[in-house]
Amino acid sequence: DIQMTQSPSSLSASVGDSVTITCRASQTIGTYLSWYQHKPGKAPKLLIYGASSLQSGVPSRFSGSGSGTDFTLTINCLQPDDFATYYCQQSYSTPWTFGQGTKVEVK
Amino acid sequence: EVELVESGGGLVQPGGSLRLSCAVSGSTFSNYWMSWVRQAPGKGLEWVANIKQDGSEKYYVDSVKGRFSTSRDNANNLVYLEMNSLRVEDTAVYYCARVWIRTFDYWGQGIVVTVSS
Repeated sequence: DIQMTQSPSSLSASVGDSVTITCRASQTIGTYLSWYQHKPGKAPKLLIYGASSLQSGVPSRFSGSGSGTDFTLTINCLQPDDFATYYCQQSYSTPWTFGQGTKVEVK
Repeated sequence: EVELVESGGGLVQPGGSLRLSCAVSGSTFSNYWMSWVRQAPGKGLEWVANIKQDGSEKYYVDSVKGRFSTSRDNANNLVYLEMNSLRVEDTAVYYCARVWIRTFDYWGQGIVVTVSS
């Protein structure tokens, strides 16, 4: 199975900050990498697919990059609605696996 | 607007069974793979199962193989997760999700499954 490791597990930031979350795969996955935002009691929301493609309707302050084993999600100019947990997920091979999540909290 | 609504969750004793349903609207259901994803209390997201458009291919995470089965009814835009021999560790919020180019583009709100005596 492909293991996905996110860092950090949590971070504290203020509105207006830029934050970067990294995700590392235990083996190469090309660009079969997605990022999701998840808030308690809500459905997860797709932000980025194919490692760097922005899902329709997602603000342009979200961006993704990387290929192979190393990926990043960057949120520029953090907004109040962005405080949530973020997950990366690989779909290169089954079982599809998620990172453990990164909780973005208010500083 | 694509909408997914899960139903069928609840409290069940260890060893028991439950069938989850997911109704999909606003989409040509039969064009898409569908998935189930769960989140145990205090844990992250875990992919559980995938089913192909015509139901001819199904994939499962190892921890549920032989106990869970997914199926679909394309005439009524429904996907199911039959869960047998349930364990305490199956306690989770279960989400159904639509698969689009190997990503989960739409998700349901989730349904709670609690396995406890």
